[in-house]
Amino acid sequence: GAVVSQHPSWVICKSGTSVKIECRSLDFQATTMFWYRQFPKQSLMLMATSNEGSKATYEQGVEKDKFLINHASLTLSTLTVTSAHPEDSSFYICSASTGGFETQYFGPGTRLLVL
Amino acid sequence: AQKITQTQPGMFVQEKEAVTLDCTYDTSDQSYGLFWYKQPSSGEMIFLIYQGSYDEQNATEGRYSLNFQKARKSANLVISASQLGDSAMYFCAMRELTGGGNKLTFGTGTQLKVEL
Repeated sequence: GAVVSQHPSWVICKSGTSVKIECRSLDFQATTMFWYRQFPKQSLMLMATSNEGSKATYEQGVEKDKFLINHASLTLSTLTVTSAHPEDSSFYICSASTGGFETQYFGPGTRLLVL
Repeated sequence: AQKITQTQPGMFVQEKEAVTLDCTYDTSDQSYGLFWYKQPSSGEMIFLIYQGSYDEQNATEGRYSLNFQKARKSANLVISASQLGDSAMYFCAMRELTGGGNKLTFGTGTQLKVEL
C-alpha cells in the first residue's frame, strides 16, 4: 500500500518550453501533496505544498508563476515548469499524505534536463 | 541556524559491521517528529524509521535503530550488520507540529558506502 507514482521519470526539453510532471497516489487518497526539488549531491528542498481543491502554498523564493501546481483530485497533482531554462534542470520529487500529520509517501522522482 | 545538521558528508563501513549516521536538530517545538530516509542512486526516497518527540523508547525497525537523545537534540541512525545494498544517501528529516504543518525539513545527507 501507499504507492506514489510520477510521470515521466525522465524528460529532456528545449529551453523555453513547458514541462508537466504528474504525481499520483495509486492506492490512497492524498489530501496533501508536496513538491520537492533536488540538485545533484544536495538535499531535498520543499518547493510547495498543495491541498486538494485549493491553491498551493509556495516556499519562499519559489516563483509560483514559473512552477504551476494543480491538485485537482485526491489522487493527482501536477507540476508544470513553464518556460523552462537550463537552470531548472533538476530532480523533482513529489510526496503525498492523507493529511494531518500522517507519513509522507514519496514518488520515484522525475529528472528534468533543459537544453 | 540549520534545523537539521548532518555533519558526515560521507561514511565508509565494512560489510557486516554496524555504522552510526549522525543527525542533530534544532527546534523550539515540544512536539516534533524525526525521520530517516534512504535514497539509492535511483533517486527514490525510502522511509526507514520514525521517532516522535514524546516517544520514550528509541525506535527500531529491523536492522535500523534510532538513538534518540532529546536533551542533546540528536537522532542518530544506527544500521547493524551492514549490507552492500545499504550503500546509498541517507537523509535525516524533521517535522515540527507547531506551525510547520506536515512539512519535512531535510538535512544535507550522508553518503554511505559499504565495502567488502
